[in-house]
Amino acid sequence: GNSVTQMEGPVTLSEEAFLTINCTYTATGYPSLFWYVQYPGEGLQLLLKATKADDKGSNKGFEATYRKETTSFHLEKGSVQVSDSAVYFCALSDDASGGSYIPTFGRGTSLIVHP
Amino acid sequence: DTAVSQTPKYLVTQMGNDKSIKCEQNLGHDTMYWYKQDSKKFLKIMFSYNNKELIINETVPNRFSPKSPDKAHLNLHINSLELGDSAVYFCASSAWGRGTTYNEQFFGPGTRLTVL
Repeated sequence: GNSVTQMEGPVTLSEEAFLTINCTYTATGYPSLFWYVQYPGEGLQLLLKATKADDKGSNKGFEATYRKETTSFHLEKGSVQVSDSAVYFCALSDDASGGSYIPTFGRGTSLIVHP
Repeated sequence: DTAVSQTPKYLVTQMGNDKSIKCEQNLGHDTMYWYKQDSKKFLKIMFSYNNKELIINETVPNRFSPKSPDKAHLNLHINSLELGDSAVYFCASSAWGRGTTYNEQFFGPGTRLTVL
């Protein structure tokens, strides 16, 4: 079956520090890869995605590159802000049932950014 | 205009009671989901419906019963609530079809259920 492994948190950084959250996956097919973000008290929302090898997803200063050879999709940001404090979920999905994309989520990594 | 909405946002109830959570999406999506998120933020898929038909039914106690009156609504009914049911429940939706544009999930704001 499919699985996603991401680094345990919390990750605690000072403002303007560099962020990396590691994510690796196993999949039986050729999945699409995602990062979702959950701000306190809210639902998850898509941060970025990549649908094929070597694609780079980017949004709000965050980036992640689909690395098929290392089965990884690490999330990076050059300079974090206090407002980036949230829980980040790595996820994958593939076509499990003729058009039904069943997602597999990692366990989430909490990011805390101090002023 | 809210894309995926859930009611209620908070639900506090006693053990043994029966309760329902409602979910509606106005995105025109064909597929809807229920997830349970525990206190450690672990997200577990419970059910998925496509065009009112159940397509995913993970290992969930049969006290949980989803109902989809139409493709824009997916409600979750829980019988005989237990302490371990306390969690945040998220509804989500996605489009249906082959191709990579169909695999993004849109989440509701969540319902925090507390069983006393």
